[in-house]
Amino acid sequence: SQQGEEDPQALSIQEGENATMNCSYKTSINNLQWYRQNSGRGLVHLILIRSNEREKHSGRLRVTLDTSKKSSSLLITASRAADTASYFCATAYSGAGSYQLTFGKGTKLSVIP
Amino acid sequence: DAGVIQSPRHEVTEMGQEVTLRCKPISGHDYLFWYRQTMMRGLELLIYFNNNVPIDDSGMPEDRFSAKMPNASFSTLKIQPSEPRDSAVYFCASSGGTTIKETQYFGPGTRLLVL
Repeated sequence: SQQGEEDPQALSIQEGENATMNCSYKTSINNLQWYRQNSGRGLVHLILIRSNEREKHSGRLRVTLDTSKKSSSLLITASRAADTASYFCATAYSGAGSYQLTFGKGTKLSVIP
Repeated sequence: DAGVIQSPRHEVTEMGQEVTLRCKPISGHDYLFWYRQTMMRGLELLIYFNNNVPIDDSGMPEDRFSAKMPNASFSTLKIQPSEPRDSAVYFCASSGGTTIKETQYFGPGTRLLVL
């Protein structure tokens, strides 16, 4: 399976702390994306990193990609209670000729006020 | 701009009944995806369309599931007959157009309960 695997499955931190989530995958990819899902809602795209990129920033988000280790990390700095959600990594295969994504099972983040 | 629209938002039905889920993608998007989310299996891709044509339906669980996209602004996912194990949240997502094609935009989902 090419499904990404997030780690940890659940994470609980205090407001203001940083949250780090990891994702591992198994085969070559075109890009890797992170999505957020609030309880009872659909997924929302956060950030995309291409296979030739190593690091990307967007606001309080920082994503790294290590293709040699087939892993990625998502860092949320200065967390807020509103960041409480599940976070999913999604991989797009190399040579797929499509825009199909495979999602991991997610990390459930709880930010305690 | 309206996002991806799904209906109904909630559906409760009895085993054996036909269930039809509906999706309206974002205008201008040429890819449409149907996913199923459960606690046990996570988010699974069921089928996706490009320019209204089904491209990959290998994720469709069995013949009880069928999906159509008669035009660029409408798609349906049908389950007939439904079974309790079909209970899940079903998401529709779209991508393409002038946006980054790899980014998918999800609807709010349809929560299906089959009794």
